[in-house]
Amino acid sequence: DVKVTQSSRYLVKRTGEKVFLECVQDMDHENMFWYRQDPGLGLRLIYFSYDVKMKEKGDIPEGYSVSREKKERFSLILESASTNQTSMYLCASSLSPGNTIYFGEGSWLTVV
Amino acid sequence: AQTVTQSQPEMSVQEAETVTLSCTYDTSENNYYLFWYKQPPSRQMILVIRQEAYKQQNATENRFSVNFQKAAKSFSLKISDSQLGDTAMYFCAFTANAGNMLTFGGGTRLMVKP
Repeated sequence: DVKVTQSSRYLVKRTGEKVFLECVQDMDHENMFWYRQDPGLGLRLIYFSYDVKMKEKGDIPEGYSVSREKKERFSLILESASTNQTSMYLCASSLSPGNTIYFGEGSWLTVV
Repeated sequence: AQTVTQSQPEMSVQEAETVTLSCTYDTSENNYYLFWYKQPPSRQMILVIRQEAYKQQNATENRFSVNFQKAAKSFSLKISDSQLGDTAMYFCAFTANAGNMLTFGGGTRLMVKP
């Protein structure tokens, strides 16, 4: 089975802090994604990566950056956390377009 | 840009009955894929069913089936013989063949009542 692991399930950070959310997948997938989930808004794509060191902006990239130094790892970075970034963050991966996307369990981030 | 709309924020169904969740989408693409994902209270998002737009036959997976109407841009999910374990958020999603981005609808919260 494909496993997408998000290392932090619950985080509480202060406004202005730098936040790293880590994601690792074990199936040699080319594509990796970071989504944000908010009630009533569904999932919104922040960034995705289709190869090592490659990244593309999604629908809501402002305030976020990403890093993909190795194929299996995709990190989401909040350079200066703000309260409006309090949310559930979901990492996902897929082999190629149209293939099933596999999700991690999610990271609950609260910014106070 | 693609959009996906789920018009039913919440639904409920009695155990063993059938329920249909609605989804419409808007795209100018001709080749694309549609998905239904389930997110139980434990939060792990899992794939329920997948439909390729060029296939006219509706996808089925055990108790789950879809009604794919390409001309109407409609992709509804039917759950037969509903079980308590079907209680979850259900998300409809779209991706074009040429792209990587998956666009999600706002979700439908389904409650299966005993």
